[in-house]
Amino acid sequence: DQQVKQNSPSLSVQEGRISILNCDYTNSMFDYFLWYKKYPAEGPTFLISISSIKDKNEDGRFTVFLNKSAKHLSLHIVPSQPGDSAVYFCAANYGGSQGNLIFGKGTKLSVKP
Amino acid sequence: DAGVIQSPRHEVTEMGQEVTLRCKPISGHDYLFWYRQTMMRGLELLIYFNNNVPIDDSGMPEDRFSAKMPNASFSTLKIQPSEPRDSAVYFCASSLGASGYEQYFGPGTRLTVT
Repeated sequence: DQQVKQNSPSLSVQEGRISILNCDYTNSMFDYFLWYKKYPAEGPTFLISISSIKDKNEDGRFTVFLNKSAKHLSLHIVPSQPGDSAVYFCAANYGGSQGNLIFGKGTKLSVKP
Repeated sequence: DAGVIQSPRHEVTEMGQEVTLRCKPISGHDYLFWYRQTMMRGLELLIYFNNNVPIDDSGMPEDRFSAKMPNASFSTLKIQPSEPRDSAVYFCASSLGASGYEQYFGPGTRLTVT
């Protein structure tokens, strides 16, 4: 049973436009959420995070939105650049334990010039 | 600063052989994690250590898998004997517990068992 779901395996966006990556979760105990980016043949790289006490966190071109009532979060990339083409993983943590990080299966973003 | 270092990057072995994957975490980090990534199951946590002590190994699939962390700068994941279904990418990650939940991943070891 997947507790963190990324229902879109892939997304294609034109350079300069907005990319919106979505993530749904089922466990209401999750209290911290993270997004990772992964290029081929590399490990995932931390991108941005948000605590459950917030509904938005922004870092440059990247913004994460959290809707607790819907158990949904999204990552917005504006404007999208070809270098953003990668697999994006959503992850969720609960219980204040370092070992409770659950990952979604990822969404492959392609940004076309 | 050097990131998490893993070796080897690629490993091809025959079924039944012993495989040892190695990891050097980021200096000063007190948590170390071993993950396995497959198409079917995505990224799964196998085991994690805090201050070199194994905390949770419930993700280790079978007794054929074992992990050690003899000191703060080195960890191994061993599979003995290996089977074709162990083929996957194995990631090591580390974190500084006091700084939050962000984990820093190594480049991974792609294991192929034939």
